[in-house]
Amino acid sequence: DAKTTQPTSMDCAEGRAANLPCNHSTISGNEYVYWYRQIHSQGPQYIIHGLKNNETNEMASLIITEDRKSSTLILPHATLRDTAVYYCIAERDSNYQLIWGAGTKLIIKP
Amino acid sequence: DVKVTQSSRYLVKRTGEKVFLECVQDMDHENMFWYRQDPGLGLRLIYFSYDVKMKEKGDIPEGYSVSREKKERFSLILESASTNQTSMYLCASLTSGVFDTQYFGPGTRLTVL
Repeated sequence: DAKTTQPTSMDCAEGRAANLPCNHSTISGNEYVYWYRQIHSQGPQYIIHGLKNNETNEMASLIITEDRKSSTLILPHATLRDTAVYYCIAERDSNYQLIWGAGTKLIIKP
Repeated sequence: DVKVTQSSRYLVKRTGEKVFLECVQDMDHENMFWYRQDPGLGLRLIYFSYDVKMKEKGDIPEGYSVSREKKERFSLILESASTNQTSMYLCASLTSGVFDTQYFGPGTRLTVL
């Protein structure tokens, strides 16, 4: 199972692209990388997932390195409402359930 | 859109009380989950269910039980609440398939005095 590491916190200026890194150096070939976020006092919200190709949806883009040992979530034009804790998940427990780490607290500044 | 609702946003109970937390999803999902979230510990899985009347223990089931009598409803029960069960409780649902795209409820912040 892959263990993920993320920075504890990051700042980004409003209107700029927010790039959130995640290391998952022990990820196996068939494990997906998932990104969720949790805005204060709300439940987590799914953002995007990927296996080895880059992915894009209406919320974000996901760039996965060729060796799959790391990935970057990109919010192309961050707004104040993007302030949240962002979770990168690629690890499963003995029940095959996703393991949630501490995530990255992203603060968007005006 | 998938909607997952939880019976209360905030709840205050006394030590020893029996507590019911209810979760309802409207998308006919087979899988449902209960997590608790504490500062610095992330989300920890308490129980999950992959079908009606089925349940599986997660990582921290002690002190909790669950009930799934109907597909759309998954209840978490604290038989005798204790202060160390003060936490944010999150319910989630997920359809069966390849991807783990869970849909979460808004959470219940439980305080046990």
